[in-house]
Order: sequence, then structure tokens, then C-alpha cells
Amino acid sequence: AQSVTQLDSQVPVFEEAPVELRCNYSSSVSVYLFWYVQYPNQGLQLLLKYLSGSTLVESINGFEAEFNKSQTSFHLRKPSVHISDTAEYFCAVSESSGSARQLTFGSGTQLTVLP
Amino acid sequence: ETGVTQSPTHLIKTRGQQVTLRCSSQSGHNTVSWYQQALGQGPQFIFQYYREEENGRGNFPPRFSGLQFPNYSSELNVNALELDDSALYLCASSDPSGRETGELFFGEGSRLTVL
Repeated sequence: AQSVTQLDSQVPVFEEAPVELRCNYSSSVSVYLFWYVQYPNQGLQLLLKYLSGSTLVESINGFEAEFNKSQTSFHLRKPSVHISDTAEYFCAVSESSGSARQLTFGSGTQLTVLP
Repeated sequence: ETGVTQSPTHLIKTRGQQVTLRCSSQSGHNTVSWYQQALGQGPQFIFQYYREEENGRGNFPPRFSGLQFPNYSSELNVNALELDDSALYLCASSDPSGRETGELFFGEGSRLTVL
């Protein structure tokens, strides 16, 4: 079974500063990778995904993540954060479970953007 | 396009009782998955339904059961509730391509408190 490690449980950063949220997964076989964001008292929203092709993927709100197969990492970055980016961020890897594909999530990183 | 909707949003039960949570999948999505998110943790896969049958299950006991209906909506039933069942229960749906990659669209969740 896959495992996902998010090394930082909390990341405080000042507004307009860059940020990197780290994610490592356990398997070196072909994987699909995702970042989800969760705002307080809400469900999870898909932020971006890596399925194949270019190892650098981008979201519409300025986040990007780079798939690094050799390091089994999928770190999330943003060059300049806003107050509204404050949320919990979850990295997930897709794996087979019987005939289904399930997402295995990390424990999350709370990003707090300070004014 | 209607997203994933869940009901109820909040509920309180006592130990030993039974609970039913409901989910309507996003339009065009034929696969439904359920996840449990305990406080401060990432979501954990409970099971997935496709064509009205369970086709993948995580590490949850049989007292967690489910149904999928012909309109792709779904129910999660938990019998003999325990205190540790207190969590946010997330329903997620996927379309045929998402079923291949694991990409999920989540609802807002049902927060269950067991006293």
C-alpha cells in the first residue's frame, strides 16, 4: 500500500512571500498525484493533478507542483501567497484497491498566511 | 452543473446507535467513494461503489456498509457507533475517466459526533 508523507504540519508565511509545501510518496511505480485544498468546515477541492506528460503542473490560482520520480516527491509551490490561500492542503496518490482506484492522503499541511 | 451534495451536514448520535448518511453524486458521475476524516488527519478511504456494487474497500470493519442506487446516489450506514467514529464523512464522485485515475470531486461532508 502507498503512503504519503507531508513533512510540515503547519507552515506560517507572510503575505506575498513564496511558499513550498512538501509531499513525498512511497512507491516508484507509475502513479497519479493530486493536491487538494480544504477551507474551514468545507470539503476538499481539487487544486491540481499530475497524470502524465509534463512534470510541472499548474493551477488557475498560481500554484504549481513538480513531479519528481527519482525523489518520489510532488511538492507544491506558489511564488507569492495571499491571505485567501490560508487553508489545509492535502497531497494524495492514487492506487488500486481491488477493481477500484482509491486516493491515499497525507496528513495535511496547514498553510497560514499572515498580513 | 450540480456538485456532490451530502446530508445531513451535522448530526449527533450516542454510542451503540446506527446512522445513515446520504450523498448525491455530481451530474454524469457514476462512481461514488466514501472517506472518513478524523480531526486533524487526512481522509481515509472507506469504500467505493460502481454499478450499485462495492468494488473496493479500505481498512474499515463490516459495521460500515453502503448502497448505491440506480441514479448513482449513495448511502453510508454505520452500525453500533463507537466514540472513535466521530469524524467528518466525505462523499466523492468520479466520472469514467476519473474512475481510471482516481480523481475525485468531494462534497462538503457530514460531521458526525458520537457521545
